[in-house]
Amino acid sequence: EPEVTQTPSHQVTQMGQEVILRCVPISNHLYFYWYRQILGQKVEFLVSFYNNEISEKSEIFDDQFSVERPDGSNFTLKIRSTKLEDSAMYFCAGAGVTDTQYFGPGTRLTVL
Amino acid sequence: QKEVEQNSGPLSVPEGAIASLNCTYSDRGSQSFFWYRQYSGKSPELIMFIYSNGDKEDGRFTAQLNKASQYVSLLIRDSQPSDSATYLCAALSGSARQLTFGSGTQLTVLP
Repeated sequence: EPEVTQTPSHQVTQMGQEVILRCVPISNHLYFYWYRQILGQKVEFLVSFYNNEISEKSEIFDDQFSVERPDGSNFTLKIRSTKLEDSAMYFCAGAGVTDTQYFGPGTRLTVL
Repeated sequence: QKEVEQNSGPLSVPEGAIASLNCTYSDRGSQSFFWYRQYSGKSPELIMFIYSNGDKEDGRFTAQLNKASQYVSLLIRDSQPSDSATYLCAALSGSARQLTFGSGTQLTVLP
C-alpha cells in the first residue's frame, strides 16, 4: 500500500537558518497539505496546495514560509529564517478525490 | 474561529471494555469528521470518518455524528492494550478542505 514519505525524519538547525522539509505524496493524490504540531499541542493547519498553487493558508503561514511542488512528485516546505518557536513536528498530508487525508511520518524540526 | 473540543482525559479503561471518546465542533459548515489515532512521537493514523448523521461502524470502532448538537463520538469495543494512544478528532471545512483538530484524548487500556 503506497504511503506518504517525508525527509528528513529529524532536522536540527540554528536560529536564522533556512530549512527545507520534503514530502513525497501518494501518486494519485491531488490535494496536499502541511500541518505542524508543537510538542504537547494540537495539530495545526499551515497550508494547502492544489493544482500547483496555494489554495489556502493559515495565520501561521507567514512570509517566512513557502511551498513548492518542483518536479510533480516532491512537495516541499521552506522556512526562510527559522525561529526558536518553529521547533515542532511538521506533517505532510495528501488527499485524492475523497476528503480523506493521509499523513506522512513527519519531520521533527529542532531550532537551536 | 473554528474550534474542535475534546475531553482531554486521560481516560483509562480495562481490557475488553468499551472506550467512549467525545468531540464537539463550532463550525456548522464542517462537512466531514475524522478520527485519527496518534502514538507518542508519531503521525496521525486514520481510524475512520463520518459525514452523515447517525452511526457508522468499522470493526471494533463506531463513530457517531449529531450535526444538530455539533457532536461527534468514537466508541471502541473490546478495547485492547494496543489501543492505548491519543485519539484526535478533526473537522473538515473551508474551501481548501483543511482539517481542524482537537487537542486529543489520551486513552490507556489496562491489561
